[in-house]
Amino acid sequence: GAGVSQSPSNKVTEKGKDVELRCDPISGHTALYWYRQSLGQGLEFLIYFQGNSAPDKSGLPSDRFSAERTGGSVSTLTIQRTQQEDSAVYLCASSHGQGNSGANVLTFGAGSRLTVL
Amino acid sequence: AQSVTQLGSHVSVSEGALVLLRCNYSSSVPPYLFWYVQYPNQGLQLLLKYTSAATLVKGINGFEAEFKKSETSFHLTKPSAHMSDAAEYFCAVSPAGFQKLVFGTGTRLLVSP
Repeated sequence: GAGVSQSPSNKVTEKGKDVELRCDPISGHTALYWYRQSLGQGLEFLIYFQGNSAPDKSGLPSDRFSAERTGGSVSTLTIQRTQQEDSAVYLCASSHGQGNSGANVLTFGAGSRLTVL
Repeated sequence: AQSVTQLGSHVSVSEGALVLLRCNYSSSVPPYLFWYVQYPNQGLQLLLKYTSAATLVKGINGFEAEFKKSETSFHLTKPSAHMSDAAEYFCAVSPAGFQKLVFGTGTRLLVSP
């Protein structure tokens, strides 16, 4: 697609429920990132996928968070047993692979705003 | 490990005044450095990037940043602020040759008439 597409744009859920957030990156971008944006916290790195390499999961805040990327394209971020502190905007971004002049230049989606009641 | 520190969560300037947003980085290897901007109700977009070429980098909308290794800084400047510059600005660092970007906490720029 022309840009990074995220769905849903808004999600309201009850504490304890599981949620899935979807990201469709730009076609041909081999790198995909998830960040979390909370008020006053900036952008918190969550996870990074690069091609077929093992993902860098070093930013996932707890084992309730997981992400997968199927077929090197679409990614799903899953949050199990949601807590109120999970409320934030979850941003997905994609970029060209390493060695490419466009590497490190991230194109962001519009985000998925999660509200946990 | 890489990190960036943005001094000042809010910066207020008058229209036409100089804009200076500060960013200091920490990196154990040569860094790539970036500024991203988030306009109200919009996604983040790249403003400019430093990837070890010229130390003075020009970006969109009249912004520029200078890489100063001795000061471990990458401050963002614009000679004359415009009302449309009001946004949140994020500095980010990545180790050269790798792609994981680490962002700062952001600085909200407020521009008054």
